[in-house]
Amino acid sequence: DGGITQSPKYLFRKEGQNVTLSCEQNLNHDAMYWYRQDPGQGLRLIYYSQIVNDFQKGDIAEGYSVSREKKESFPLTVTSAQKNPTAFYLCATKFNEQFFGPGTRLTVL
Amino acid sequence: DQQVKQNSPSLSVQEGRISILNCDYTNSMFDYFLWYKKYPAEGPTFLISISSIKDKNEDGRFTVFLNKSAKHLSLHIVPSQPGDSAVYFCAASGGGYGQNFVFGPGTRLSVLP
Repeated sequence: DGGITQSPKYLFRKEGQNVTLSCEQNLNHDAMYWYRQDPGQGLRLIYYSQIVNDFQKGDIAEGYSVSREKKESFPLTVTSAQKNPTAFYLCATKFNEQFFGPGTRLTVL
Repeated sequence: DQQVKQNSPSLSVQEGRISILNCDYTNSMFDYFLWYKKYPAEGPTFLISISSIKDKNEDGRFTVFLNKSAKHLSLHIVPSQPGDSAVYFCAASGGGYGQNFVFGPGTRLSVLP
């Protein structure tokens, strides 16, 4: 059963702590993406990776970091430098269309 | 500067009637367009696409129209059902391998029973 897995669904962290969001796919797609959704702002691109061991900054990369050591995995770290980390985070792959995971709601207290 | 605009933040429609969601873009290099539907706390799901070589694409109750000269596309849902109530995103790409999609801000559709 092919798809994109994001875990956990809900995540709580204290201010000042780094947190890593997981994204795994078994669609065998080369390209993977991280978006952030805030109310009324649509989807904003954080980072993307077209191929293993390579990634590019999106429109709002500041305060985030990623790695792409395996084709199946594209974890996103939200660092303490991100000023407004509370948001809904979406991982996606691309093959013609964009395919999205179920999302992770991060709340920083 | 937003390259993809959805100027109506929300839309309410009676069940059984037509829903029309609009999207405008500014980049003339865009040649591939998608519509997504999103429920709260879930990832968007792909609905329908259209490439610039067409001006209409239909899939069941969903039809997308593209007016390249006006840089405008619209999604028609006929007949609208309560389960269609969601946020709808328009997305555009310049096509070609490696081109990223640019998403609009979304329109919240409410279908009233």
